[in-house]
Amino acid sequence: QVEVVESGGGVVQPGTSLRVSCAASGFTFSPYAMHWVRQAPGKGLEWVAVISSDGSKKNYADSVKGRFTISRDNSKNMVYMQMNSLRTEDTAVYHCARDRQWLGDDALNIWGRGTIVSVSS
Amino acid sequence: SYVLTQPPSVSVAPGKTARITCGGNNIGTKSVHWYQQKPGQAPVLVLYYDSDRPSGIPERFSGSNSGDTATLTISRVEAGDEADYYCHVWDSNNDHVVFGGGTKLTVL
Repeated sequence: QVEVVESGGGVVQPGTSLRVSCAASGFTFSPYAMHWVRQAPGKGLEWVAVISSDGSKKNYADSVKGRFTISRDNSKNMVYMQMNSLRTEDTAVYHCARDRQWLGDDALNIWGRGTIVSVSS
Repeated sequence: SYVLTQPPSVSVAPGKTARITCGGNNIGTKSVHWYQQKPGQAPVLVLYYDSDRPSGIPERFSGSNSGDTATLTISRVEAGDEADYYCHVWDSNNDHVVFGGGTKLTVL
């Protein structure tokens, strides 16, 4: 079964850090770029970051640049998002999604159900 | 940065045709992808490259893209099509993914 499953969400205080993870299974992981997309409560989709298939290219939304870091381990079929200096506006469901191609500029054809990150004092 | 504009809501009677637009500057020069998201569920890709359907997506879903507007068309709308729909392009100037704000499709 082709799927990606997120984990690691939780309730944290502003200014703290959290790492969310995404486990891929059912497909050959290494040829594909991977994205994180978030959705605040009652809001639309907001793209967060992308990492190319070999991890050499990373791009971030302006809202998280300098605070969030995306990474991957192709030996473990895993993608990670290290989130530092969290703000209340980072509260959202964080979805992991697979790109159709290696760079990250194509459609997202496999999505996870997401992990909830809540930033609150 | 590149901006995609969608109507917040579209309503349609069962069996009729729904059209959801996605506006952007010269969007016709870009590849547009569309996602369906039902409450509490992950998004699902319904069209890519303007009008290609992934396996398992009904032929009732079609798309077009020209000028400043891309359109997702759902023919013979069913109650199960009620969902939020999002368009997506790649902004090559900034190497960013851009999503439209989403359109809530209501089946009357």
